[in-house]
Amino acid sequence: AQSVTQLGSHVSVSEGALVLLRCNYSSSVPPYLFWYVQYPNQGLQLLLKYTSAATLVKGINGFEAEFKKSETSFHLTKPSAHMSDAAEYFCAVRYSNTGNQFYFGTGTSLTVIP
Amino acid sequence: EAGVTQFPSHSVIEKGQTVTLRCDPISGHDNLYWYRRVMGKEIKFLLHFVKESKQDESGMPNNRFLAERTGGTYSTLKVQPAELEDSGVYFCASSQESGQGWQTQYFGPGTRLLVL
Repeated sequence: AQSVTQLGSHVSVSEGALVLLRCNYSSSVPPYLFWYVQYPNQGLQLLLKYTSAATLVKGINGFEAEFKKSETSFHLTKPSAHMSDAAEYFCAVRYSNTGNQFYFGTGTSLTVIP
Repeated sequence: EAGVTQFPSHSVIEKGQTVTLRCDPISGHDNLYWYRRVMGKEIKFLLHFVKESKQDESGMPNNRFLAERTGGTYSTLKVQPAELEDSGVYFCASSQESGQGWQTQYFGPGTRLLVL
């Protein structure tokens, strides 16, 4: 069965510190990978997506993610956390053999400590 | 350009009652999706419309859930009768084309449903 794992339901970092949110998927079928962010009382907003063009993907607000096939991972990083990054982050995967639905991880809530 | 909108933003109903959720996709998007997030768990797919046709309804939990998209524009998701386990956040998403795997799905803010 297809699944997406986000390690750590809650992550806290100090302002200015590195942000690392983990995402692993389980499938031998080539995936399309997405990271979404949900700010309080808002909808899910696309941060970035992997479309097989380049393994390192740059997104909005200084975030980037690297696709590592050997590790089946697509971790999200940001060099320096800002207070405005506090939100919930979702990793989503779409597989080429299972239609158009997205499979989501359980989400990671990021807290930024001043 | 207006994003995906959902109504209501919140709904509190009693077990056994009926609730109808509405989603207006981005104009011109033929593809419309419903997802649900039960508290503490992952966001799960419910179904996918292409225009007014149900392309995939494999995620619908049971026959108490009925989704429609008359005319291929907005969609409604009706829960009748509602049960306690139906509580959660219902998200709607839309996309332009469904053939490409990299196609972004644009999400609405969700409807928070609480069944008491």
